[in-house]
Amino acid sequence: DIQMTQSPSTLSASVGDRVTITCRASRSIDDWLAWYQQKPGKAPELLIYKASALESGVPSRFSGSRSGTNFTLTISSLQPDDFATYYCQQYKSSSSYTFGQGTKLEIK
Amino acid sequence: EVQMVESGGGLIKPGRSLRLSCTTSGFAFGEYGLSWFRQAPGKGLEWVGFIGSKASDGTTEYAASVKGRFFISRDDSKSIAHLHMNSLRIEDTGVYYCGRDAFGVIAKWGQGTLVTVSS
Repeated sequence: DIQMTQSPSTLSASVGDRVTITCRASRSIDDWLAWYQQKPGKAPELLIYKASALESGVPSRFSGSRSGTNFTLTISSLQPDDFATYYCQQYKSSSSYTFGQGTKLEIK
Repeated sequence: EVQMVESGGGLIKPGRSLRLSCTTSGFAFGEYGLSWFRQAPGKGLEWVGFIGSKASDGTTEYAASVKGRFFISRDDSKSIAHLHMNSLRIEDTGVYYCGRDAFGVIAKWGQGTLVTVSS
């Protein structure tokens, strides 16, 4: 199985900050990576797919990038609504999807 | 509007069986795959299993942690999918979500249903 290592597990930041969350795949997954945002008691919401494609309706302050097996989610200027937990997910094969451990983004 | 609603969760004893349902509307259900996920209390997301569309002969895949105990079915005429869970264990406790699966991208999720396995 492909393992996804996500970091950091917790991130403290302020409104207006630029933040970066990273996921590393244990082997090549090409661009088959998505990012989700989850708020307490709610289902995840898709932000980014195919490593860098912005889901319709998601604010442009969210962006994704890839370098080899390393993937990054960047929020360019944090807004109050962005404080949540973020997960990466690899979907190279439908026989086994895996998620990163999650990053809880907290208000500093 | 796309809607996905899970139901069937509850408190169940270890070793028993439970069937969850994912009732959908607002899209061509038969043209999409469907995945189930779960989230143990205070933990991260875990993929449980997948059922392909009719075009892929409804192929199924399961996580190693549930293979042989859980299976997924679908009824395209009713736009509904089921997660059949057998031999439940305490570690199967969590919120179960269904998601519309477009080649691995889950753009639509249900609100989740809580399964608690406890004696």
